[in-house]
Amino acid sequence: SQQGEEDPQALSIQEGENATMNCSYKTSINNLQWYRQNSGRGLVHLILIRSNEREKHSGRLRVTLDTSKKSSSLLITASRAADTASYFCATDAYGGSQGNLIFGKGTKLSVKP
Amino acid sequence: DVKVTQSSRYLVKRTGEKVFLECVQDMDHENMFWYRQDPGLGLRLIYFSYDVKMKEKGDIPEGYSVSREKKERFSLILESASTNQTSMYLCASRLGGPTYEQYFGPGTRLTVT
Repeated sequence: SQQGEEDPQALSIQEGENATMNCSYKTSINNLQWYRQNSGRGLVHLILIRSNEREKHSGRLRVTLDTSKKSSSLLITASRAADTASYFCATDAYGGSQGNLIFGKGTKLSVKP
Repeated sequence: DVKVTQSSRYLVKRTGEKVFLECVQDMDHENMFWYRQDPGLGLRLIYFSYDVKMKEKGDIPEGYSVSREKKERFSLILESASTNQTSMYLCASRLGGPTYEQYFGPGTRLTVT
């Protein structure tokens, strides 16, 4: 049951540029989370935004949430080669199965030095 | 720091073998999860557990079973491995409900030949 869908599937930028990834989902949510996965490794939590929040910052990360459009975006400013990874959004479908997170398929970001 | 460990990073098994994947977390988390990750399909939930000896089916439980005898340990069992179970398996734990972040292990890349 796919809830979040990231866009684009892949993104290639130069170091220092900003990277924007989008996530769309289908049903109402309580919160939305973003995770990063370095190649062949486990996922690492980046940031959580609640349904009553519109924007949240953490270091070089900025997340927005538009519940009317059922979409979120993750902006990484001044990207570095170390930001090369796959990025996933995860939602808990409101009233859904016991609060399990549903992950999208991810955006693969490549930051070239 | 929360640590989630998985018993193997790489595993090669033969068709029909019984396979055990072990996951251990060290932060007294209530909830534990098993996912598999395949290219183009993202993360899919196999089983989850909200307490010792409790287990619930996720989206793709067929061919798998789980065991949670102790709070810190959640095992995934492939009763009779098949080639279509070749995948990356990710374990995760979480303190409480979906407003908490999930902590992932490094993953086990299982190849069934």
